[in-house]
Amino acid sequence: SYELPQPPSVSVSPGQTATITCFGEALAKQHAHWYQQKPGQAPVLVIYKDNERPSGIPERFSGSRSGTTVTLTISGVQAEDEADYYCQSGDTNGIPVVFGGGTKLTVL
Amino acid sequence: QVQLQESGPGLVKPSQTLSLTCTVSGGSINSGDYYWNWIRQSPGKGLEWIGYIYYSGTTFYIPSLKSRVAISIDTSKNQFSLKLSSVTAADTAVYFCARGRRVTIERCYFDYWGQGALVTVSS
Repeated sequence: SYELPQPPSVSVSPGQTATITCFGEALAKQHAHWYQQKPGQAPVLVIYKDNERPSGIPERFSGSRSGTTVTLTISGVQAEDEADYYCQSGDTNGIPVVFGGGTKLTVL
Repeated sequence: QVQLQESGPGLVKPSQTLSLTCTVSGGSINSGDYYWNWIRQSPGKGLEWIGYIYYSGTTFYIPSLKSRVAISIDTSKNQFSLKLSSVTAADTAVYFCARGRRVTIERCYFDYWGQGALVTVSS
């Protein structure tokens, strides 16, 4: 199955900034969205349409796009941010939904 | 507050058909603003989108599963359903239903998810 490439893991200390990237040709023309998933739970939307934050999501979560790369940034990481993070978009072949492979964020 | 809840058998025998239903509460399924989706996650793996249905009945399935998948909608019950035929152990996964908020034609993001239902394929 097709996936958007993401780094498998990112590690940061509490209070530092975590950046998680996602790559894909389709991202140059389509919005990207980001989800947080903790063990045993359903994913939660943290960023939609590249840089919009749903109500209830802390301001330390932000998103950006540059060309074919989108980035989720978590400023001032807290222990509770330890989770898997997935990007999502469509692809260039008309498939409406494609997920990234996921990035495991470890808070040291 | 919108809620989605998956229901169905947790154990399916190989070669049989997996059937799950998602009941939506707190909002109408009969809306042009959303796509109604099924997404699965195999143990220890990432998220895999299966397909969606629009309130009109229009569907879109991932090509790799298209020959085995059918998603239907019952607006009178505010439910939508998944059928996956000829299952194998590779179909063992947690199956999530999710509401897709429409961004453009055929494009959406998932703002509400069910809790997920583990379906094991085993004899």
